[in-house]
Amino acid sequence: GESVGLHLPTLSVQEGDNSIINCAYSNSASDYFIWYKQESGKGPQFIIDIRSNMDKRQGQRVTVLLNKTVKHLSLQIAATQPGDSAVYFCAEASGGYNKLIFGAGTRLAVHP
Amino acid sequence: DSGVTQTPKHLITATGQRVTLRCSPRSGDLSVYWYQQSLDQGLQFLIQYYNGEERAKGNILERFSAQQFPDLHSELNLSSLELGDSALYFCASSPQLAGETQYFGPGTRLLVL
Repeated sequence: GESVGLHLPTLSVQEGDNSIINCAYSNSASDYFIWYKQESGKGPQFIIDIRSNMDKRQGQRVTVLLNKTVKHLSLQIAATQPGDSAVYFCAEASGGYNKLIFGAGTRLAVHP
Repeated sequence: DSGVTQTPKHLITATGQRVTLRCSPRSGDLSVYWYQQSLDQGLQFLIQYYNGEERAKGNILERFSAQQFPDLHSELNLSSLELGDSALYFCASSPQLAGETQYFGPGTRLLVL
């Protein structure tokens, strides 16, 4: 089983509710941001990304919001499903985007 | 399935030993990245190779080394292993040098006893 992130902050939501996961990033020069989802025993899975010339980007059931003024990133998941239960990481990069700096992660627990 | 493969899935070894982790990138991807995920340090970037050459380095210990071969697969070599090296090691790949999404493999879980 998963042994990473035993002490992560946890967001508990009811199935069907909307979820908002927040992330504060560290480098004001970062200009590329990604959200990854990591399920137990698996590698990080790309969800959505956004570049610093945008403040909002939408995907299927997910929206990423970027507030550069306060260096804050959020991931909104609409109509959360049990399959959304996982650890969610934000990552930032600058310049060449080749080195991703990951946040600590948030565990999302979806209850029926 | 991201298309990135890693072997072995699990590895158990003893302190002082040396191990090699292998990664095959997605078809067509030229960049390979290695990350370490541990309980106390989270996900940390180790090193990047692009088309056979080292291009970026992160918090990689001197006991660790990597290489990328002409067929673009990559190996991460960990030597003089310590208990603290126990972690998940992930490989990711992207098409070019930079500026694109990195897709992660399933990881290798290393346990040093």
